[in-house]
Amino acid sequence: DGGITQSPKYLFRKEGQNVTLSCEQNLNHDAMYWYRQDPGQGLRLIYYSQIVNDFQKGDIAEGYSVSREKKESFPLTVTSAQKNPTAFYLCASSTVGAGENSPLHFGNGTRLTVT
Amino acid sequence: AQSVTQLDSQVPVFEEAPVELRCNYSSSVSVYLFWYVQYPNQGLQLLLKYLSGSTLVKGINGFEAEFNKSQTSFHLRKPSVHISDTAEYFCAVKPGGYQKVTFGIGTKLQVIP
Repeated sequence: DGGITQSPKYLFRKEGQNVTLSCEQNLNHDAMYWYRQDPGQGLRLIYYSQIVNDFQKGDIAEGYSVSREKKESFPLTVTSAQKNPTAFYLCASSTVGAGENSPLHFGNGTRLTVT
Repeated sequence: AQSVTQLDSQVPVFEEAPVELRCNYSSSVSVYLFWYVQYPNQGLQLLLKYLSGSTLVKGINGFEAEFNKSQTSFHLRKPSVHISDTAEYFCAVKPGGYQKVTFGIGTKLQVIP
């Protein structure tokens, strides 16, 4: 079955450490996204990528970094510069171009706790 | 830039009663509209989408939504809810020609037995 895999489901880190969240998709989608979810704030876009080796900042990119070296993979690094990193992180993908109105497909999320 | 407003953060409703979850949007260009559902500790699943054509859109699990361009609304409805509909529901907008999708803050639907 095609889908998006996020790992791990739960992640714990000490303050000051960088941490990388994994996102892999086998849907052959060109576009990939990272969202952050906090209670009462909905989903906020961190970064998105429409094609390999290219990505754009979303609304809350500060303290995060991404790479898109392969079509299937879009890892997110939460750096020590992110002031409030504890959150639920969701990865998504969609088609581009002829399917520009295609919906997002989501992974099951990674819950990051930083203490 | 586009924005999405979900007017109710929580909606309690008795089982088998009808429900409406409200969504208003703003955008300077034409948009595509979506409703997603999220169960606890999971990702989001697509309920339905409006792309063009008929303003009444039917989705999964008996949900439907009506696009109203003059009121810039896309309210979600279900004539009779079930306990299993308890979840959080998100409205989202995607401007034509762009890949950026903007979500509302979500509405928690609580179905009371």
